[in-house]
Amino acid sequence: DTAVSQTPKYLVTQMGNDKSIKCEQNLGHDTMYWYKQDSKKFLKIMFSYNNKELIINETVPNRFSPKSPDKAHLNLHINSLELGDSAVYFCASTGTGLNTEAFFGQGTRLTVV
Amino acid sequence: AQSVTQLGSHVSVSEGALVLLRCNYSSSVPPYLFWYVQYPNQGLQLLLKYTTGATLVKGINGFEAEFKKSETSFHLTKPSAHMSDAAEYFCAVSASGSARQLTFGSGTQLTVLP
Repeated sequence: DTAVSQTPKYLVTQMGNDKSIKCEQNLGHDTMYWYKQDSKKFLKIMFSYNNKELIINETVPNRFSPKSPDKAHLNLHINSLELGDSAVYFCASTGTGLNTEAFFGQGTRLTVV
Repeated sequence: AQSVTQLGSHVSVSEGALVLLRCNYSSSVPPYLFWYVQYPNQGLQLLLKYTTGATLVKGINGFEAEFKKSETSFHLTKPSAHMSDAAEYFCAVSASGSARQLTFGSGTQLTVLP
């Protein structure tokens, strides 16, 4: 049973296209995140949703739009893809209380050509 | 505001030698501290975490880390490196409140030499 699953794992697309990445967690967590890992492996938070509400929106182009239909899902839609969007995108989730850590999906490697 | 500094982007050790990966943090509130490991083309797996209580925390695969508030450090150690430990290691910090987003260090690539 995969705790946090992302699809697709690999995504190759042309500049200007619109694409979506899906994320689902079966841990019953309230909060979900999107992180971006660049070519130098640096990881940075993009968005955070708590119970379907946006609580963190870092400095991310508005071409990126997260959507959370319910607290188990957080999808990432990207419009007008650019070369610089090429990266690995990780979905994660956390629960509540003291003993909680982020569980990460396997990542989606996006390549824009 | 929080930040993490990992000293050494690449660390090489011989198999059986001590592993020491350094992490220093900055946080305006009591921090939660984490070490994650990333194997090639995979996601991040939690090695260990510090939230409250005992400052020496033990994790999976024989790793441990010690929270030193006075030094703002959370270095990761393992007494004896194994070839399977070769991976990218990330130190991360989050606030101790309700916000749980992680601020990551830049990562340390660990190479284990035969």
